[in-house]
Amino acid sequence: EDQVTQSPEALRLQEGESSSLNCSYTVSGLRGLFWYRQDPGKGPEFLFTLYSAGEEKEKERLKATLTKKESFLHITAPKPEDSATYLCAVQANRMDSSYKLIFGSGTRLLVRP
Amino acid sequence: NAGVTQTPKFQVLKTGQSMTLQCAQDMNHNSMYWYRQDPGMGLRLIYYSASEGTTDKGEVPNGYNVSRLNKREFSLRLESAAPSQTSVYFCASSEARRGAFFGQGTRLTVV
Repeated sequence: EDQVTQSPEALRLQEGESSSLNCSYTVSGLRGLFWYRQDPGKGPEFLFTLYSAGEEKEKERLKATLTKKESFLHITAPKPEDSATYLCAVQANRMDSSYKLIFGSGTRLLVRP
Repeated sequence: NAGVTQTPKFQVLKTGQSMTLQCAQDMNHNSMYWYRQDPGMGLRLIYYSASEGTTDKGEVPNGYNVSRLNKREFSLRLESAAPSQTSVYFCASSEARRGAFFGQGTRLTVV
């Protein structure tokens, strides 16, 4: 069964204090791994797609990396506006070509000034 | 560019009432999804549609039905609402191996 586990559940950082969020996955053939940001009261906002082990993507202070079993979202010198819940999702290869996404439960990040 | 539009944004139902949540996307995506989000449980897939005319069950389909009306629209129906269906519902759409785009959500309370 496809499964996604994110850790930690919650993370508090001081402004400028770099850290990483983890997403471990079990899937029968990975088609893609996705990172999202979700602000309170809003829908998830797409950040990155990673397709194969060794791949990296960057956007401002965020960098996502992928191995065969997990993905990391590195946050460098975070600012208070980076506070949000970060969600990881996987898409598995399927014979029927369906593209359903399976999500982890997220990491709530709070960056204090 | 509206993206994914959900209606209504808020709804209060009495136990046993029925309602339909509407979703429309203007990105010409083939795949559409309905998720529910509960505190501490992340996003759980209710139903999805890989293309117009097809629908499949996700993790938590009991108590729900869906209709893929055309390529743009994917509706979610609660036939007889229960308090356990109190949640935030999100519709999303995607194309092939690209990331999904989400609507702003419908906050449903069943009393």
